[in-house]
Amino acid sequence: EDQVTQSPEALRLQEGESSSLNCSYTVSGLRGLFWYRQDPGKGPEFLFTLYSAGEEKEKERLKATLTKKESFLHITAPKPEDSATYLCAVQGTNSGYALNFGKGTSLLVTP
Amino acid sequence: SQTIHQWPATLVQPVGSPLSLECTVEGTSNPNLYWYRQAAGRGLQLLFYSIGIDQISSEVPQNLSASRPQDRQFILSSKKLLLSDSGFYLCAWTTGERPYEQYFGPGTRLTVT
Repeated sequence: EDQVTQSPEALRLQEGESSSLNCSYTVSGLRGLFWYRQDPGKGPEFLFTLYSAGEEKEKERLKATLTKKESFLHITAPKPEDSATYLCAVQGTNSGYALNFGKGTSLLVTP
Repeated sequence: SQTIHQWPATLVQPVGSPLSLECTVEGTSNPNLYWYRQAAGRGLQLLFYSIGIDQISSEVPQNLSASRPQDRQFILSSKKLLLSDSGFYLCAWTTGERPYEQYFGPGTRLTVT
């Protein structure tokens, strides 16, 4: 069964203080690993898809990387508007059409 | 571009009452459609998915059901709500082909009293 574990559960950063969020996964054949951002009371917003180990993708202050066992979401010089919950999900080749989500990391960036 | 709508945005219903949540996708055809529930402190739980108008699969046995009356419309229903049905309900769509990512609607906050 596919499993996704995100750490830490919560992270508080000062504006400009870079850090990384971790997503550890087990899956029987990775079809894709996905990162989403979710603001309170809203639906998740798609950020990145990674398909294979060694792949990296960037968007503004965010950079996602992937190994065979985990993915990192690096946040460089964060701003208060980056505060949100970040969700990681995997889809395995044997899991049909489902995405298996982690519980997320709640990020708070203070001025 | 594609957009996904859900309504209502919020709903307060008594225990034992029926439920109908609606999801509609615009700007694409033959999407794969999904219903998730997000409870406090828990991850997104897949409830139903549909890869075609006549194909609906249930992931979790419960008192909820789903229907797809039109290609781009997905309905989540219940005949009698339970307190445990409270949560944030999210609809999502994907093409079913690479790049595989799912796009979510704004969600419905359901409180069962």
